[in-house]
Amino acid sequence: AQSVTQPDIHITVSEGASLELRCNYSYGATPYLFWYVQSPGQGLQLLLKYFSGDTLVQGIKGFEAEFKRSQSSFNLRKPSVHWSDAAEYFCAVVPSGNTPLVFGKGTRLSVIA
Amino acid sequence: NAGVTQTPKFRILKIGQSMTLQCTQDMNHNYMYWYRQDPGMGLKLIYYSVGAGITDKGEVPNGYNVSRSTTEDFPLRLELAAPSQTSVYFCASNGRGNQPQHFGDGTRLSIL
Repeated sequence: AQSVTQPDIHITVSEGASLELRCNYSYGATPYLFWYVQSPGQGLQLLLKYFSGDTLVQGIKGFEAEFKRSQSSFNLRKPSVHWSDAAEYFCAVVPSGNTPLVFGKGTRLSVIA
Repeated sequence: NAGVTQTPKFRILKIGQSMTLQCTQDMNHNYMYWYRQDPGMGLKLIYYSVGAGITDKGEVPNGYNVSRSTTEDFPLRLELAAPSQTSVYFCASNGRGNQPQHFGDGTRLSIL
């Protein structure tokens, strides 16, 4: 079945350490790809998106993501995590055209001192 | 710059009661969406609309109804509330289906 997979339910990193959150999708064509962040009690905020072109995209708050077609992946990275980055992160995909967005189940990030 | 506004923010219902969750956007977006979010399950699409007068079912539409009489408003109705509908509900909008969605702050609904 077509889906979006975030393999890690919960990740804990130390402040200042690097971060990589994984996302894989199983759609045939190259979809539109997004990463959203959700702070506790809040709605979702767009971090970055990939439609086409350069496979390394920059987003807000120092995040970046790399699209790898051969691996059907769109992993989110940050070189140095701050305590304020603790939140839930969702990868999402528009499979094609104007079909509705499909979300992964999310990865909860905890940051320790 | 309001964006997407959802009301109420919190609500407790008794089993069998009905209610309407309100959603309005001021960005003149054609597309609007309702999601529910349950712990560990991500967001599931309930209904969506591609313009006034047009609605379509998402992944989990049972027990819900929607209407879209104006571009701005997309209310979600629960007719006979059930405990399984306890969740956080998010409304979102975008100008086209493949553009980033703008989200409201959510409505936390408990059914007891």
